[in-house]
Amino acid sequence: DTAVSQTPKYLVTQMGNDKSIKCEQNLGHDTMYWYKQDSKKFLKIMFSYNNKELIINETVPNRFSPKSPDKAHLNLHINSLELGDSAVYFCASSQDRGVEQYFGPGTRLTVT
Amino acid sequence: SQQGEEDPQALSIQEGENATMNCSYKTSINNLQWYRQNSGRGLVHLILIRSNEREKHSGRLRVTLDTSKKSSSLLITASRAADTASYFCATDNYGQNFVFGPGTRLSVLP
Repeated sequence: DTAVSQTPKYLVTQMGNDKSIKCEQNLGHDTMYWYKQDSKKFLKIMFSYNNKELIINETVPNRFSPKSPDKAHLNLHINSLELGDSAVYFCASSQDRGVEQYFGPGTRLTVT
Repeated sequence: SQQGEEDPQALSIQEGENATMNCSYKTSINNLQWYRQNSGRGLVHLILIRSNEREKHSGRLRVTLDTSKKSSSLLITASRAADTASYFCATDNYGQNFVFGPGTRLSVLP
């Protein structure tokens, strides 16, 4: 059984569109995250969500918004997509903040 | 600002040799973690070392932490071709800030 799953695996879209990436974890974890990995493989945390407390990386544009319908899901919505949003986006989860994280397989987003 | 920084950026070794990667960071931490990423995959947690620990082992992995120098090292002994991957350190600041370094790309040649 997949611990952390993301859909879709690949997403190709045009500038200006709005898109969502879904994430689900079946580990019973309390904390979920979204990361962006750029073309140089640098991994940057975008959000962490724990018991309805959202911590946002201040460098993340407000076009990006996480939505958590329940503890097992944290979806990422992106409005008005830009070329610079092209990257691989990873969802992760952990028992609590600051402990080992379990990563999903990633979603490769390409904005044309 | 970037917290963890790995050194070297890339490393090529022969199968059977040991691989050592280093990580430096800037601020105080609660723990430091190492992750592995195979090409096209998500990250996999390898080991976590707390700020009050100096050394930790897990199979062929050995991690050290020197809080006075704000640095950590990951040693992989008797490397295998399957160890070829990118390795990242990540620092936790008591759950408030979690930062990954840029990673070290390890190539183990058969």
